[in-house]
Amino acid sequence: EDKVVQSPLSLVVHEGDTVTLNCSYEVTNFRSLLWYKQEKKAPTFLFMLTSSGIEKKSGRLSSILDKKELFSILNITATQTGDSAVYLCAVPRSGGSNYKLTFGKGTLLTVNP
Amino acid sequence: NAGVTQTPKFQVLKTGQSMTLQCAQDMNHEYMSWYRQDPGMGLRLIHYSVGAGITDQGEVPNGYNVSRSTTEDFPLRLLSAAPSQTSVYFCASSNTGTPDTFGSGTRLTVV
Repeated sequence: EDKVVQSPLSLVVHEGDTVTLNCSYEVTNFRSLLWYKQEKKAPTFLFMLTSSGIEKKSGRLSSILDKKELFSILNITATQTGDSAVYLCAVPRSGGSNYKLTFGKGTLLTVNP
Repeated sequence: NAGVTQTPKFQVLKTGQSMTLQCAQDMNHEYMSWYRQDPGMGLRLIHYSVGAGITDQGEVPNGYNVSRSTTEDFPLRLLSAAPSQTSVYFCASSNTGTPDTFGSGTRLTVV
């Protein structure tokens, strides 16, 4: 059975801190891993990772994939209160297409001023 | 450009009632999907569509029907609402298959 496990489940930091969010996965025929940010409403797409060791970067956010150890990390540097959200990790299901995703339960990040 | 629009935003149903959650996108995306989000469960795929006239089941399809008569619209029908269908429902679309644009959600309560 496909599995996506995120850790920690929740995290509280102060503005300016750097945080690392973890996502480990078990899926056969791995194709990609996706990160989303969910504030009060809809998830927004952050990154799609397909290759091991290649960092994806967008401003203060970056992510890297380790296909050998079956995990990904999402780093946020110089956190701001606007980074407070649930961060979701997902992988396409075994034997399914890219739109059949298995999601982790998410990490709730709270950034205090 | 509105993106993905879901209506209604909130709905309360009685057990056994039926209703349709609406989803429309204006980006000419081929792929559309419906997810439900429950506390502690993450997002789970209900149904999806790879184009007009083509739909298939996701992970938790029971109790829901979909159709895709146009590229723009992908309504989700609850046939006979049950308390277990109390959830937040998200519609998503993309052109790559990987959902990259979500609607703002419909919070459904079944009493």
